[in-house]
Amino acid sequence: GDSVTQMEGPVTLSEEAFLTINCTYTATGYPSLFWYVQYPGEGLQLLLKATKADDKGSNKGFEATYRKETTSFHLEKGSVQVSDSAVYFCALRNTGTASKLTFGTGTRLQVTL
Amino acid sequence: EAQVTQNPRYLITVTGKKLTVTCSQNMNHEYMSWYRQDPGLGLRQIYYSMNVEVTDKGDVPEGYKVSRKEKRNFPLILESPSPNQTSLYFCASSLLGGGNQPQHFGDGTRLSIL
Repeated sequence: GDSVTQMEGPVTLSEEAFLTINCTYTATGYPSLFWYVQYPGEGLQLLLKATKADDKGSNKGFEATYRKETTSFHLEKGSVQVSDSAVYFCALRNTGTASKLTFGTGTRLQVTL
Repeated sequence: EAQVTQNPRYLITVTGKKLTVTCSQNMNHEYMSWYRQDPGLGLRQIYYSMNVEVTDKGDVPEGYKVSRKEKRNFPLILESPSPNQTSLYFCASSLLGGGNQPQHFGDGTRLSIL
């Protein structure tokens, strides 16, 4: 079945550092890929998405490129802020009308001054 | 404001006492789903619904029931809760069930079953 693997956290960075959170997936067919963010005490918010190979999703300075050849969707940001501290989830949703979101286990990011 | 609303946000209860977690969306979405979030496991789907009166099991449906009598509401029912159902629960919805549709999430319900 479909699966998503994310790097283990927590990731601790100083403000203005470069961020990469690795995500790889296994899926049949042509899934869409998503990054969700969960701030403390809140639900998941869609951060960005990509629906086909070589698409780049971007939002709030975050970017991720759908790489079919390496089955990856790594999240990057050039300069993190303290307000980016949260848990980040990589997820995929496969084709088919009944398809669910398959999530990775989440990566906690802590940004310090 | 477009949103998915869950209630209650927090609940502590005892084994065997039936409970219902409500979920309502105001976006006229057809697809709704329930997930549970557990440490080290990410989110796993419990049940989903493609439309009114159409529901089906997800990956971890044991011990749960759902119903979809109206398009906007998708309650999660625990008929006889047990401690292994202690978890953080999220309701989500999307316009359609298609693969490129992002899901919108509620703020979560933290259940503790003693």
